[in-house]
Amino acid sequence: AQSVTQLDSQVPVFEEAPVELRCNYSSSVSVYLFWYVQYPNQGLQLLLKYLSGSTLVESINGFEAEFNKSQTSFHLRKPSVHISDTAEYFCAVSEPTGRRALTFGSGTRLQVQP
Amino acid sequence: NAGVTQTPKFQVLKTGQSMTLQCAQDMNHNSMYWYRQDPGMGLRLIYYSASEGTTDKGEVPNGYNVSRLNKREFSLRLESAAPSQTSVYFCASSTQTSGETQYFGPGTRLLVL
Repeated sequence: AQSVTQLDSQVPVFEEAPVELRCNYSSSVSVYLFWYVQYPNQGLQLLLKYLSGSTLVESINGFEAEFNKSQTSFHLRKPSVHISDTAEYFCAVSEPTGRRALTFGSGTRLQVQP
Repeated sequence: NAGVTQTPKFQVLKTGQSMTLQCAQDMNHNSMYWYRQDPGMGLRLIYYSASEGTTDKGEVPNGYNVSRLNKREFSLRLESAAPSQTSVYFCASSTQTSGETQYFGPGTRLLVL
């Protein structure tokens, strides 16, 4: 079985400040790792994912996440946030084989203040 | 190209009533999923379908049934709604390739009184 822990339920931050959203996972097998974002009253959208290769992955809107196998972490970072980044962020894992359904963390609400 | 669509957007039921949530995708995806989202718990898998004609239980299947009508459509049925089923329901789809992105619908907000 696999599980995902997002350590912070809410993260308030001022505009243009850096932010880190933490994610740890546990699994007995290798996994794929994802960050999804949910804007108010919308469905989830993929932000970025790690499948293999370089442990640092980036999104098109300035977010990045680093896979750390020894610490079983996949923290999400952005050096300078905008008001438009206000949303809920979900970390998720899936197994490379089998049903490939996602196991989600409980989510972190990022609140960017002016 | 509409992606994943869900109907209805919002529904209020009384305890014991039944209803079907509809989901359709136009991306020719093989796999489809139903999740429920509850505050502080993220999304939890109810049922999934790896391909047309197959369905399997997820983490929280009790009280639900599903039908993969064809490759495009995957419905979720509540036979006898309970207040514990008050939630936001999301349908998603993906190809069967490992690590492929799941695409989510806009969700159905269900309130059971």
